[in-house]
Amino acid sequence: EVQLVQSGAEVKKPGESLKISCKASGYTFSTYWIAWVRQMPGKGLEWMGIIYPDDSDTRYGPSFEGLVTISADKSITTAYLQWDSLKPSDSAMYYCARAGESGGVSNWGQGTLVTVSS
Amino acid sequence: DLQMTQSPSSLSASVGDRVTISCRASQGISDFLAWYQQRPGKVPKLLIYGASTLQSGVSSRFSGSGSDTYFTLTISNLQPEDVATYYCQRYGSAPWTFGPGTKVELK
Repeated sequence: EVQLVQSGAEVKKPGESLKISCKASGYTFSTYWIAWVRQMPGKGLEWMGIIYPDDSDTRYGPSFEGLVTISADKSITTAYLQWDSLKPSDSAMYYCARAGESGGVSNWGQGTLVTVSS
Repeated sequence: DLQMTQSPSSLSASVGDRVTISCRASQGISDFLAWYQQRPGKVPKLLIYGASTLQSGVSSRFSGSGSDTYFTLTISNLQPEDVATYYCQRYGSAPWTFGPGTKVELK
């Protein structure tokens, strides 16, 4: 069974750094794209970017390029999303998700709630 | 950049109704189009990919059609468990942009 288990909720202050994780199991981690999706409170889904763990090929959405870093560690089948300097506007639910066999994003993590407040 | 739009932004329908949601891409995307359902407080769920292929395990009351720039998601015989926000998404070439969503409520 494909499972994506994300790290727990975080409360951070503006300017702090953060790295959240997404542990994958039940499939060959290296050969499926992993996406990160943001959902701000009461708002829609925003595609942040994707990574192909086998070669770390990474693509970012225009609104997120340079603001976050997506990475993956094949040895522990885990993908990451990180910020160097958080802002209150980064407060949101963040989902990792695996690309489907034939299209779309078929498997989702449970989400990680990030709250940034002074 | 490619933009995805959806209409309507929300709708209210009765149990048993047939509901259709539209999604438009600002450029042709062939059939690289997926639909998702997100119930309140829940994780999104893939319903359809390839514009019209039903994801395994998804109710046959859901169907998708379209290609290039215009797509539709139809829910037949609307049920209370269909109350959710529905999103279209372009995939294939990055960015895999989502549409803004359509909220479906019961009358």
